[in-house]
Amino acid sequence: GQQVMQIPQYQHVQEGEDFTTYCNSSTTLSNIQWYKQRPGGHPVFLIQLVKSGEVKKQKRLTFQFGEAKKNSSLHITATQTTDVGTYFCAGYDMRFGAGTRLTVKP
Amino acid sequence: GAGVSQSPRYKVAKRGQDVALRCDPISGHVSLFWYQQALGQGPEFLTYFQNEAQLDKSGLPSDRFFAERPEGSVSTLKIQRTQQEDSAVYLCASSWNWVASGVNTGELFFGEGSRLTVL
Repeated sequence: GQQVMQIPQYQHVQEGEDFTTYCNSSTTLSNIQWYKQRPGGHPVFLIQLVKSGEVKKQKRLTFQFGEAKKNSSLHITATQTTDVGTYFCAGYDMRFGAGTRLTVKP
Repeated sequence: GAGVSQSPRYKVAKRGQDVALRCDPISGHVSLFWYQQALGQGPEFLTYFQNEAQLDKSGLPSDRFFAERPEGSVSTLKIQRTQQEDSAVYLCASSWNWVASGVNTGELFFGEGSRLTVL
């Protein structure tokens, strides 16, 4: 399987601050997917990255896939309370990392 | 239906009872996954179906756990002789494509989950 590890486990930010979570693998990932799970909800797909060095943006969210395809990051600019939740990554075999739980103080 | 449907949403079982959790995926979706999510943890992979074939069951924690998808659509996860450590939310997800040794190009659509509490 394509085991992925995420850091940090928790992140608490003031509204308006930036936030970054990292997803790392010891092996080369063929692709990576990111999901968001709101408190009490189920995971919802955000994006998939496939190409080495790929960068994709969704409004305030920026996703990157490392050149070696062994790591990925999700960066949120100017967090809002609506960004609260846990962010997960998964390799092609759909094994999820432990997630980064984001809380935002208004 | 429009989305992945799971039932029951909540199940309370006494230790030792058998339970069955149902997942009705999005129509036409080939792939179906089951996950176990304990409180505050990420979804832990249990098993994967491609149509009716169970291609990966390496995540099932013990032989008390059994999953099937006999007609390639609805799936049932059965837990025999439930234990307290089985208490968790069981998530089902489906995808239109299949996972192979390569790139998985399909996003997963998750159901709301079945919350199992074993007393």
